[in-house]
Amino acid sequence: KAGVTQTPRYLIKTRGQQVTLSCSPISGHRSVSWYQQTPGQGLQFLFEYFSETQRNKGNFPGRFSGRQFSNSRSEMNVSTLELGDSALYLCASSGGGQGVREQYFGPGTRLTVT
Amino acid sequence: AQTVTQSQPEMSVQEAETVTLSCTYDTSENNYYLFWYKQPPSRQMILVIRQEAYKQQNATENRFSVNFQKAAKSFSLKISDSQLGDTAMYFCAFMKRPNFGNEKLTFGTGTRLTIIP
Repeated sequence: KAGVTQTPRYLIKTRGQQVTLSCSPISGHRSVSWYQQTPGQGLQFLFEYFSETQRNKGNFPGRFSGRQFSNSRSEMNVSTLELGDSALYLCASSGGGQGVREQYFGPGTRLTVT
Repeated sequence: AQTVTQSQPEMSVQEAETVTLSCTYDTSENNYYLFWYKQPPSRQMILVIRQEAYKQQNATENRFSVNFQKAAKSFSLKISDSQLGDTAMYFCAFMKRPNFGNEKLTFGTGTRLTIIP
């Protein structure tokens, strides 16, 4: 099976702009979670989507949003970018069903805000 | 809220030796899962091993094994016969027993492990 893919891999944006990141889960996986990784804050949970519905949300401002499509692909959007949004954004997918839900991660999108 | 603590920011060990990474966590939950993830310099996060809290038997995956002490809320990772490819950042992670809306990993701050040739 192909793994989790994320596009683009690298992105440079200017303060005030907005950005959209994409994630394609492992085939058959219905749950997609997003995490932000920074040197200062470590790995922080952003949100999780299952069957096009946001099931769980982390403690991030409303500038961070996401969505999931019927094919389980997910996008996250950050509006009005700030310097502090520079980070590695990781997407993870899991089956989302009963039992242990191991999350499998994509390679990440490195966002730099200047 | 759950917290995960990794008290060893950096460790190094000679190739072929055994190394143990420490992790403690705090939770009021009784049913949960614990994971170790590895993040090499390529930045791809890779699942190493998982442990279900209701299982008393410690999980093993080839050269990787855990020492799970539920009462002490401790979850250490042992890497035997360490290899150069084991050089990476290692994260301990906690997940409440999944039910609707609970699929969220809480990570520790990580331990940077270097295997010396």
